[in-house]
Amino acid sequence: QVQLVQSGPELKSPGASLKVSCKASGYNFSAHGFNWVRQAPGQGLEWMGWISTYNGDTYLAQKFRGRVSLTTETSTTTASMELRSLRSDDTAIYYCARDYGNGYNWFDTWGQGTLVSVSS
Amino acid sequence: DTVMTQSPDSLAVSLGERATINCKSSQSVLYRSNNKNYLAWYQQKPGQPPKLLIYWASIRESGVPERFSGGGSGTDFTLTINSLQAEDVAVYYCLQYFDAPRTFGQGTKLEIK
Repeated sequence: QVQLVQSGPELKSPGASLKVSCKASGYNFSAHGFNWVRQAPGQGLEWMGWISTYNGDTYLAQKFRGRVSLTTETSTTTASMELRSLRSDDTAIYYCARDYGNGYNWFDTWGQGTLVSVSS
Repeated sequence: DTVMTQSPDSLAVSLGERATINCKSSQSVLYRSNNKNYLAWYQQKPGQPPKLLIYWASIRESGVPERFSGGGSGTDFTLTINSLQAEDVAVYYCLQYFDAPRTFGQGTKLEIK
């Protein structure tokens, strides 16, 4: 079955960088893009960006441009999100979510989430 | 950016009754060339990731109970849960995927009265 398994929880210091991975299985990896969504404690869902597994195109929400990089690796069927210059307000659960296709689609499968805490 | 506004923020409904959640977009998410509304609904229970319920505004995802239904077009949408069950307690979000950035509603918390 389709499954997305994310890397484990992280505790980071302000100013550090973070990389969250999302291992996909159970489907044709190249047929579906990935979205990254985060959720601060007790808050709603915030879309961060999207990457195509077809051609590597990315689209990042304005507030994350310059601080976030999205990548995919077909050989390991893994998507990754790197967030740099961490601040305390980056504390959140980070989710990868599979795009139904490789374009403007809904998110049909989600990873379990990765808890990231940023604190000095 | 397309702003998605849900109402109400929270809702308490008796078991077996109907719950209705609204979602309004600041611009139309109807793509006229294919007559599809680029709107999805998600359910999130505590400690879990969101779960897809509805896409194209009214198409139920496989395995989702029939008591969940979506409607609306253009800028105004509804999620209806008929015959509310205890396991439906959750926060519900709408998502527009018409343009980038994708945007979610702020969420509606559904509880049992």
